[in-house]
Amino acid sequence: DSGVTQTPKHLITATGQRVTLRCSPRSGDLSVYWYQQSLDQGLQFLIQYYNGEERAKGNILERFSAQQFPDLHSELNLSSLELGDSALYFCASSLTGEANTGELFFGEGSRLTVL
Amino acid sequence: EDQVTQSPEALRLQEGESSSLNCSYTVSGLRGLFWYRQDPGKGPEFLFTLYSAGEEKEKERLKATLTKKESFLHITAPKPEDSATYLCAVQASGGSYIPTFGRGTSLIVHP
Repeated sequence: DSGVTQTPKHLITATGQRVTLRCSPRSGDLSVYWYQQSLDQGLQFLIQYYNGEERAKGNILERFSAQQFPDLHSELNLSSLELGDSALYFCASSLTGEANTGELFFGEGSRLTVL
Repeated sequence: EDQVTQSPEALRLQEGESSSLNCSYTVSGLRGLFWYRQDPGKGPEFLFTLYSAGEEKEKERLKATLTKKESFLHITAPKPEDSATYLCAVQASGGSYIPTFGRGTSLIVHP
């Protein structure tokens, strides 16, 4: 158990809809990372937050947005969903913003299926 | 742009049959190279960090090594419980320090 909690574990929705994925980082960790994993793309970095502020942005679509709240949990919002958004979405956390040791603690992911 | 290429994509071994997984990388200044293990339906689990060429790290049947262009994950006398996808990631010095992951090697060890 990594200590990172993600909900929901599975989500099935239709094209055009909007969903919110939730992540609680490991106790004491200030940084949260969101990654998307699909069969053809591997693990793709979306966005990072550190202590409530956006720290780095990757290949995140404009239809997607995220935030980190004062209690450090984070939410990833996906809107106007398309079939191609079907993937595993992982949240990871680290103590610092630079992941100095390279060790990110990953949750078990949220599997999104868009029909 | 940082790039990580892992090979082979998939590897099947018999129990006890040692082998190596490769991770080739291109990065503008390496801060660290990481190996993760991912079981089906689970999130990646951290294994090792390597910082400089020549460095080696070991954990049970796994040994990771690093050169200036690639890293190897050696698996000695593997057991079925070593079956998983092994991911390599690099962290560049400067910039955002966000790890860039390879697509992984899927390892199956048959009893």
